[in-house]
Amino acid sequence: GENVEQHPSTLSVQEGDSAVIKCTYSDSASNYFPWYKQELGKRPQLIIDIRSNVGEKKDQRIAVTLNKTAKHFSLHITETQPEDSAVYFCAASFTGTASKLTFGTGTRLQVTL
Amino acid sequence: KAGVTQTPRYLIKTRGQQVTLSCSPISGHRSVSWYQQTPGQGLQFLFEYFSETQRNKGNFPGRFSGRQFSNSRSEMNVSTLELGDSALYLCASSLRDRGRDEQFFGPGTRLTVL
Repeated sequence: GENVEQHPSTLSVQEGDSAVIKCTYSDSASNYFPWYKQELGKRPQLIIDIRSNVGEKKDQRIAVTLNKTAKHFSLHITETQPEDSAVYFCAASFTGTASKLTFGTGTRLQVTL
Repeated sequence: KAGVTQTPRYLIKTRGQQVTLSCSPISGHRSVSWYQQTPGQGLQFLFEYFSETQRNKGNFPGRFSGRQFSNSRSEMNVSTLELGDSALYLCASSLRDRGRDEQFFGPGTRLTVL
């Protein structure tokens, strides 16, 4: 089955700096890659996603890149703010939809003042 | 539009008991997926129901089962509870439509097994 590895497990950046979180997946059939943000005690929320027919996608300060050949995808957050502090999960699915997501182990991002 | 709701929010059970969790998806969403979240194993997929049929299944023992009703509401049942079943159980609903799909999570049910 699919396996998703996520690095780093913790990341501390200063406010205004950029943060990058990387994930690799094992199943070359995977074609949908969402990223979720989970604040303490809250539900995961989708922040951005990318499909296998696209190499990059941006939404304001957040961007995701996908390298299908290397089977890895990354989350980039620019101009970080304290409210970006949370746990971020990457995920992959071979169904082309949000069904049957395999999640990475999460990255705890802390943005310090 | 109301979000995904789950009941109950908290449960305490003892080993050997069984438990049923409920999930109401966003109106119009026919896909409901269940996930188990623990500090050690992270978020793990349990199963997905779409149009009252189980469409995908994760690697969990048969003690974990589910069903979906005609109104898309879903229930998850865990029988013969073990200490290791203590976790946050999240359900998520989606349209299950390629190209315009997004999975919305409920607040979760925190299950504690004593």
